[in-house]
Amino acid sequence: DTAVSQTPKYLVTQMGNDKSIKCEQNLGHDTMYWYKQDSKKFLKIMFSYNNKELIINETVPNRFSPKSPDKAHLNLHINSLELGDSAVYFCASTPSDRQNTEAFFGQGTRLTVV
Amino acid sequence: GDSVTQMEGPVTLSEEAFLTINCTYTATGYPSLFWYVQYPGEGLQLLLKATKADDKGSNKGFEATYRKETTSFHLEKGSVQVSDSAVYFCALSPKAAGNKLTFGGGTRVLVKP
Repeated sequence: DTAVSQTPKYLVTQMGNDKSIKCEQNLGHDTMYWYKQDSKKFLKIMFSYNNKELIINETVPNRFSPKSPDKAHLNLHINSLELGDSAVYFCASTPSDRQNTEAFFGQGTRLTVV
Repeated sequence: GDSVTQMEGPVTLSEEAFLTINCTYTATGYPSLFWYVQYPGEGLQLLLKATKADDKGSNKGFEATYRKETTSFHLEKGSVQVSDSAVYFCALSPKAAGNKLTFGGGTRVLVKP
């Protein structure tokens, strides 16, 4: 049983396309996140949702739009893809948005924009 | 803003060697501190954590102590194995930030038999 699952695992697409990455967690957690890992392995938070409400929105281009249909799902839609969007995107979840709780990460989606 | 700095890798060691990965942080107040590990092709997993000054986190032979005076959280293991080869991330979570993690740049560790 995968706790946090993302699909697809690999995504290769052309510049200008629109794509979505899906994330689901079966841990019963209230809070979900998207992180971006660049080619140098540097990880940075993009968004966080708590019970379907956006609570963290870092400086991310408007082309990125998260959607949380319910608290077990947080999808990431990207419009007009650019070369610089190539990265590994990780979904994560925590029991709540309180501090000190362990984050559970998905396996990542490697996005390559050509 | 908050930041985490950790030593750059790769760190290459022989099996049974001693491992230290330095991590220092800048944050307002007293954040919680974490070490996450990323094995090849996988997501991150929590290795250990400490939530207040002088706390020691430990797991799988790894240890790190929260040092407020030096704003550090160095990771150590006395005798590494090949299976410890991975990328290690130091991270902090401030008290009032919706459980957001700020990561260091990661340190790749290669353990050779």
